[in-house]
Amino acid sequence: GAGVSQSPRYKVTKRGQDVALRCDPISGHVSLYWYRQALGQGPEFLTYFNYEAQQDKSGLPNDRFSAERPEGSISTLTIQRTEQRDSAMYRCASSQNAETGPYGYTFGSGTRLTVV
Amino acid sequence: KQEVTQIPAALSVPEGENLVLNCSFTDSAIYNLQWFRQDPGKGLTSLLLIQSSQREQTSGRLNASLDKSSGRSTLYIAASQPGDSATYLCAVPPSGGSYIPTFGRGTSLIVHP
Repeated sequence: GAGVSQSPRYKVTKRGQDVALRCDPISGHVSLYWYRQALGQGPEFLTYFNYEAQQDKSGLPNDRFSAERPEGSISTLTIQRTEQRDSAMYRCASSQNAETGPYGYTFGSGTRLTVV
Repeated sequence: KQEVTQIPAALSVPEGENLVLNCSFTDSAIYNLQWFRQDPGKGLTSLLLIQSSQREQTSGRLNASLDKSSGRSTLYIAASQPGDSATYLCAVPPSGGSYIPTFGRGTSLIVHP
């Protein structure tokens, strides 16, 4: 697609429910990144993929968080048993290729998650 | 671990002023440095990308400089306009390994008419 698309734009869920956030990167972009951004803070790295392989998941806060990119395109970030502290903006970015020289990152509009 | 600091945290100026936003980083082994603009409810929009071998980049009224040795980048905004009101973030990926960028907290800019 023309840009990075994230859905849903807004998600309100009850504490304890599971949520799945979707990211559709720019067509042909090899690398895909997930970030989380709290109010008044910069984006914090969660995990990233090259093609379908998860290269680094060191930023995932705990084992309730997981991500996949099974066909090397669309990615899903899943949060199980959500807690109020999970409330944040979740951002996805893609780039042409992380290892041969990034030409910059393109971000989606984000998913605003609110856990009540 | 890379730490990125942006000063000031917030800025409110009248229209027409020339502005300076600062970004400092602790590890000079960077691949590039990218400035983003963040508008409420929208994604991060890339403004300027400076490769580590470059000293500056310009786009319209925006000029970004990079001094790797001192760990600093500066974003200049000339003749500010109310439409420039947004949060400005800098992002710094390391020169080796994953290239995962570290972000600053941003500078929140308000330009009033």
